[in-house]
Amino acid sequence: DQQVKQNSPSLSVQEGRISILNCDYTNSMFDYFLWYKKYPAEGPTFLISISSIKDKNEDGRFTVFLNKSAKHLSLHIVPSQPGDSAVYFCAASAYGGATNKLIFGTGTLLAVQP
Amino acid sequence: DTEVTQTPKHLVMGMTNKKSLKCEQHMGHRAMYWYKQKAKKPPELMFVYSYEKLSINESVPSRFSPECPNSSLLNLHLHALQPEDSALYLCASSQLLDTQYFGPGTRLTVL
Repeated sequence: DQQVKQNSPSLSVQEGRISILNCDYTNSMFDYFLWYKKYPAEGPTFLISISSIKDKNEDGRFTVFLNKSAKHLSLHIVPSQPGDSAVYFCAASAYGGATNKLIFGTGTLLAVQP
Repeated sequence: DTEVTQTPKHLVMGMTNKKSLKCEQHMGHRAMYWYKQKAKKPPELMFVYSYEKLSINESVPSRFSPECPNSSLLNLHLHALQPEDSALYLCASSQLLDTQYFGPGTRLTVL
């Protein structure tokens, strides 16, 4: 049972344009969401997060939007740069336990064309 | 500083070998994690340590044995692995209920 889904396995965008990566979740107990960027054979790098009490969080070129009623979040990257080319994972967790169990989506490979 | 270090970077072992993966963080984080990632798949949680105590074991086979000697170190002891255990093993750390920061991983190949 895939609780966090990224339905687009890949996305290609021109440099300078906006990249929009989508993520859907099924577990209504999730209340903290993160985006990670990953290069091959490296560990995931944290990008940005959002808690369920917000619907938007910005950090430089990265903005995450959360639509709780639709159980949907998206990551906007603008402007996109060739160095953004990587696999992007969304992840979700539910507070309430003593530790943070992250559930990852399947990932979206972003290719930014020069 | 959000650095988590892992050694070795690459490891090749036979099915009868015993080896260990090491992870270290100096951010004062009190939770540490082991994940396994197969090619083209998301990371999957294996173990969580909270305040140096094992708090989550995701039904991992006993050929994987975690150890947390102190708040900065996390080991994963490997014994009698199978070829299907070949994967990227990732360590992460966090303050409790906060963002997890990952190390670069150990690429394990079991022959």
